[in-house]
Amino acid sequence: DTEVTQTPKHLVMGMTNKKSLKCEQHMGHRAMYWYKQKAKKPPELMFVYSYEKLSINESVPSRFSPECPNSSLLNLHLHALQPEDSALYLCASSRSSGGAGTGELFFGEGSRLTVL
Amino acid sequence: DAKTTQPNSMESNEEEPVHLPCNHSTISGTDYIHWYRQLPSQGPEYVIHGLTSNVNNRMASLAIAEDRKSSTLILHRATLRDAAVYYCIREIYNQGGKLIFGQGTELSVKP
Repeated sequence: DTEVTQTPKHLVMGMTNKKSLKCEQHMGHRAMYWYKQKAKKPPELMFVYSYEKLSINESVPSRFSPECPNSSLLNLHLHALQPEDSALYLCASSRSSGGAGTGELFFGEGSRLTVL
Repeated sequence: DAKTTQPNSMESNEEEPVHLPCNHSTISGTDYIHWYRQLPSQGPEYVIHGLTSNVNNRMASLAIAEDRKSSTLILHRATLRDAAVYYCIREIYNQGGKLIFGQGTELSVKP
């Protein structure tokens, strides 16, 4: 199984809502990532988890709260978002991160978020 | 600036080789170069990565300049399914999986 599964595929939320995006992999990977992608732009790194610990936070606003409950799961909790946060949110995993090179990242298809 | 520089778009004919360039003049000696591609409505897909030597796999070849300030992704025989946005990515050494995407080159393949 070389899949990264993201749910939901589409999410519409108001600025006062609380919602979560979920990501799951069963490849035994120990590094997991959240990227944000606006239309016609490249993905931008948000967070990296390595061995279930947050290792990189790219100065992301606190209205985005990541969580890694175990080595297979990654969540992104959303609260009080703004319309400009509307984007495709991509999850990825890799065998490990950093050191002598991260190697191949496996990406999910993304969750498309619309904030009204 | 840690980002890589790529042409916005390129065209190719089917079954011909394609050379996709990337400039990374500020790269450090220990940063890896990755290439991913992204089809519409899909997540990015790994193509290849390398450090100093040229690399080959079943999808493509990666040629890295001797001074490491540039690299070229080579698709040996383009097919219509190779039409995608190709991203040249710099992995910042020892920063735990920090991959910085370039702006990407949109490759179109004509039959």
